[in-house]
Amino acid sequence: TQLLEQSPQFLSIQEGENLTVYCNSSSVFSSLQWYRQEPGEGPVLLVTVVTGGEVKKLKRLTFQFGDARKDSSLHITAAQTGDTGLYLCAEKTTDSWGKLQFGAGTQVVVTP
Amino acid sequence: DTAVSQTPKYLVTQMGNDKSIKCEQNLGHDTMYWYKQDSKKFLKIMFSYNNKELIINETVPNRFSPKSPDKAHLNLHINSLELGDSAVYFCASSQTSGGVLDEQFFGPGTRLTVL
Repeated sequence: TQLLEQSPQFLSIQEGENLTVYCNSSSVFSSLQWYRQEPGEGPVLLVTVVTGGEVKKLKRLTFQFGDARKDSSLHITAAQTGDTGLYLCAEKTTDSWGKLQFGAGTQVVVTP
Repeated sequence: DTAVSQTPKYLVTQMGNDKSIKCEQNLGHDTMYWYKQDSKKFLKIMFSYNNKELIINETVPNRFSPKSPDKAHLNLHINSLELGDSAVYFCASSQTSGGVLDEQFFGPGTRLTVL
């Protein structure tokens, strides 16, 4: 079972600042998904990256997949209080009937 | 309209009791899942059903028994509850069970507290 490491564990910033969270593994990812989970709710998919070197943008969120497909990052520009949440990365392997292997998450708190 | 719903939202019970959590999805998906999120927010899959058939069964105590009466419903019954079962349990569904671009939709979770 591949171990997904997320860093940092916790991040507190002020509105308007930028932040980056990371997801790493010692093995190659088949594909990687990023989720955001708000308090009292289930995770919501933000993006899926598949190809090494891929960059995807979702408004102020930029997702990068490493060339070797062993790491990924999520960058938020000009954070807003609504970006507060637990950010989870997950690998979805192609041979596992849709099983998702999650990292431990990065808790992001954006204060006014 | 809620896509994936779970009942109850909160469940507080004594050790040794038996309890059930229910999940329903109105998305027309073929596959449903149960996940457990522990106190450290670590989310781990427990079971998955595709068209009412069990396809993923992780290393979970046999006190946990999932049942899928139809494609839209997946229930989780837990016997002889233990303190370590306290967690948030999430139900999820997806259109298929494979495909890297297949999206899983999560319910709001059921917070189980065992006293």
